[in-house]
Amino acid sequence: GIQVEQSPPDLILQEGANSTLRCNFSDSVNNLQWFHQNPWGQLINLFYIPSGTKQNGRLSATTVATERYSLLYISSSQTTDSGVYFCAGFNTNAGKSTFGDGTTLTVKP
Amino acid sequence: KAGVTQTPRYLIKTRGQQVTLSCSPISGHRSVSWYQQTPGQGLQFLFEYFSETQRNKGNFPGRFSGRQFSNSRSEMNVSTLELGDSALYLCASSPLGAENTEAFFGQGTRLTVV
Repeated sequence: GIQVEQSPPDLILQEGANSTLRCNFSDSVNNLQWFHQNPWGQLINLFYIPSGTKQNGRLSATTVATERYSLLYISSSQTTDSGVYFCAGFNTNAGKSTFGDGTTLTVKP
Repeated sequence: KAGVTQTPRYLIKTRGQQVTLSCSPISGHRSVSWYQQTPGQGLQFLFEYFSETQRNKGNFPGRFSGRQFSNSRSEMNVSTLELGDSALYLCASSPLGAENTEAFFGQGTRLTVV
């Protein structure tokens, strides 16, 4: 199957700081999504972004499908942004979506 | 519009027993996928059902099975439970499948095997 590498694995920020999370794929994927896992375990949809750039408030994402990576930007971080962020992409050869190991973000007040 | 509903939310079972988990997708969605999340292995794909047919399957033993009903609700079953089956089980629904459309997740079922 494909490999999905997320970086950094852990990130600690002061409230108000900006951050960039990265997701690299070893093979082409479509239907790339970013999720935030809440403390109760539910995956909350952030972006559905097979290609291009999208913005939603303080969050934005960019996917460069031809280079097999995606970036999630968080600006003016808040303590409520803390948690684990996952990216996932569907690979046609594998016939399934594969998740990265996640980036654990801690925002300190 | 109601989201994806998983029941039960929490479950404690004994080794050797079997368990059935349920997932009701978003109305109109025909695809349901199941994932297992553990600290050691992360999020692993179990299987996907579309219009009552299993479309894809991950690398899990035959003890893990599933089905989908005509109303798109899905169940997964784990027989002969092992301690290593303790995990958060998540299901995702999408209109046409993860290959083509956005997936939405339920709150998960947290299974503990003792």
